[in-house]
Amino acid sequence: SSELTQDPAVSVALGQTVRITCQGDSLRIFFASWYQQKPGQAPVLVIYGKNNRPSGIPDRFSGSNSGDTSSLTITGAQAEDEADYYCNSRDSSGNLWVFGTGTSVTVL
Amino acid sequence: QVQLVESGGGVVQPGTSLRLSCAASGFTFSSSGMHWVRQAPGKGLEWVAVISYDGYNKYYADSVKGRFTISRDNSKNTLYIQMNSLRAEDTAVYFCAKESGYCGGGRCYRWVDPWGQGTQVTVSS
Repeated sequence: SSELTQDPAVSVALGQTVRITCQGDSLRIFFASWYQQKPGQAPVLVIYGKNNRPSGIPDRFSGSNSGDTSSLTITGAQAEDEADYYCNSRDSSGNLWVFGTGTSVTVL
Repeated sequence: QVQLVESGGGVVQPGTSLRLSCAASGFTFSSSGMHWVRQAPGKGLEWVAVISYDGYNKYYADSVKGRFTISRDNSKNTLYIQMNSLRAEDTAVYFCAKESGYCGGGRCYRWVDPWGQGTQVTVSS
């Protein structure tokens, strides 16, 4: 089965830019989607498709893909962006799905 | 608006069974693939299973294959997961989620959104 690897934790100063990466072989075939999860809440989709934001997601969130790595960038991080972030994609077979290991973002 | 509401969670003993339900509204349920995802206490998200819009195709994570069965009743707009031979490591919040997607530029993209609020399953003696 495929794995999606993320850095466990990153920190960013208020108003600065942070990039969260997600690495896995299946990302050469399938684009990742990205989810934000705050404590005690269900995950919320922040990036899907090639680089699309659902309605209500600020434009400081953006996504990109290169080779086996997908990235989520927060440009001008705000205090409310402090959360766990997960990537998600299908495995190389296209039938099974997998979540990344998750990245905890701290806004200083 | 799209709404997913899970139910059926609780505290059960190891080796027993439990069935979770997910009531869907606000979209054409019979046209959407549906997923179950779980999150153990203090851990990350773990994909559990997916079922196609018509119920014919079902896929499972290795950790639950042979013990869990995903199903749906499109006449009731409801998704289910039957969990048998439960283990302590199945303790988690279980979320249902709707699959979406589109194709463009020679590629197809899929994601899950929205999610229900989750239901807690605790397996303990």
